[in-house]
Amino acid sequence: QVHLVESGGGVVQPGQSLRLSCAASGFTFSSHGMNWVRQAPGKGLEWVAGVWYDGTNEDYADSVRGRFTISRDNSKNKLFLQMNSLRAEDTALYFCARDLVPAAVDPFGMDIWGQGTTVTVSS
Amino acid sequence: EIVLTQSPGTLSLSPGERATLSCRASQSVSSSYLAWYQHKPGQAPRLLIYGASRRATGIPDRFSGSGSGTDFTLTISRLEPEDFAVYYCHQSGTFGQGTKLEIK
Repeated sequence: QVHLVESGGGVVQPGQSLRLSCAASGFTFSSHGMNWVRQAPGKGLEWVAGVWYDGTNEDYADSVRGRFTISRDNSKNKLFLQMNSLRAEDTALYFCARDLVPAAVDPFGMDIWGQGTTVTVSS
Repeated sequence: EIVLTQSPGTLSLSPGERATLSCRASQSVSSSYLAWYQHKPGQAPRLLIYGASRRATGIPDRFSGSGSGTDFTLTISRLEPEDFAVYYCHQSGTFGQGTKLEIK
């Protein structure tokens, strides 16, 4: 069964860091691009970052560029999101999502999603 | 940066009716990367359509997508009770603001 399970969310103060993880199972992780998407309370979906199947190319939303880093460990079937200099507006439910294709400049279609992990940035 | 504008913001219909949701891009975009998602509260989003018109695996054929250039449409031919949700279009790392499909 295909599964994505996010972890690492929590409550942090502005300026602090957090690292999210996403564990994949039931499919060949190294054959798919992967993404992070978030939903702030009461708001719509926002794409955050994406990485190619082999980790050689990544892209970010302007709102997080320079503060967040997406990475992956194909030997452990895991996706990560390192979040630095967190702001109140980063408060959201963060989803990891599998792309249909291995390597796309932008998400081609995100067909498998986890249930999300909550990040709260508050003083 | 591409801006996707979805209309209407809220659509009130009854089961059995036809739903037509619109997504307009601020500039011409590649149909290859235009996708539609369904999102229900407390659940993960679900991919419905990719490449503007291709149904994702397991998606019923009452869902269809069309369009090119700047104008795209998601059509649900006959609404089932489980179809009432928020729908988002997505292109090049940008989501539309969503259309809430509610029961009339």
